[in-house]
Amino acid sequence: NAGVTQTPKFQVLKTGQSMTLQCAQDMNHNSMYWYRQDPGMGLRLIYYSASEGTTDKGEVPNGYNVSRLNKREFSLRLESAAPSQTSVYFCASSEGLALYYEQYFGPGTRLTVT
Amino acid sequence: TQLLEQSPQFLSIQEGENLTVYCNSSSVFSSLQWYRQEPGEGPVLLVTVVTGGEVKKLKRLTFQFGDARKDSSLHITAAQPGDTGLYLCAGGDGGSQGNLIFGKGTKLSVKP
Repeated sequence: NAGVTQTPKFQVLKTGQSMTLQCAQDMNHNSMYWYRQDPGMGLRLIYYSASEGTTDKGEVPNGYNVSRLNKREFSLRLESAAPSQTSVYFCASSEGLALYYEQYFGPGTRLTVT
Repeated sequence: TQLLEQSPQFLSIQEGENLTVYCNSSSVFSSLQWYRQEPGEGPVLLVTVVTGGEVKKLKRLTFQFGDARKDSSLHITAAQPGDTGLYLCAGGDGGSQGNLIFGKGTKLSVKP
């Protein structure tokens, strides 16, 4: 059982380049999330999708876009990368609202923007 | 804006010692979750507490939710090197579409 998978695991970008982070879950979960984790900052929610066909902004959405491609897949796009977006990005999924259901996290994507 | 403050930020102890880490807020939470994150991996849920005063045990780990549902603690008895990791608390009040606010974490190192 793969759970939540993320690609790539590592990425280095130059300022201004674009890229898409991919996430897929095989648990038939309704809700999916993108977080970023910076040293000393904990996890901060970027965007989430409460159910297939919906997406909403989280705490730190600026500079990002998302697509809920289908129930399994939720991608995060950086249109014009900035050094401030250097971070570790985690995708997560849950059966329902994160408040009441366990979130399962992927292994993370370590992104460096130079 | 809800905030979760975790303390201490760092903790380094010897195997066999006991420890307590704290998660505090000025806001009331509907539920509070504790996660453990090992280096290079995503967080893994340890426990969810929902009732004020609730105590849950997971082997050597004891979790308590404050009576007013504004704070929580995690106590580890006889810590082992395998307990090493980042401990995160996360809570929500039912607003924000049921999403969670995460604390900054307590980084625990247990030396053999």
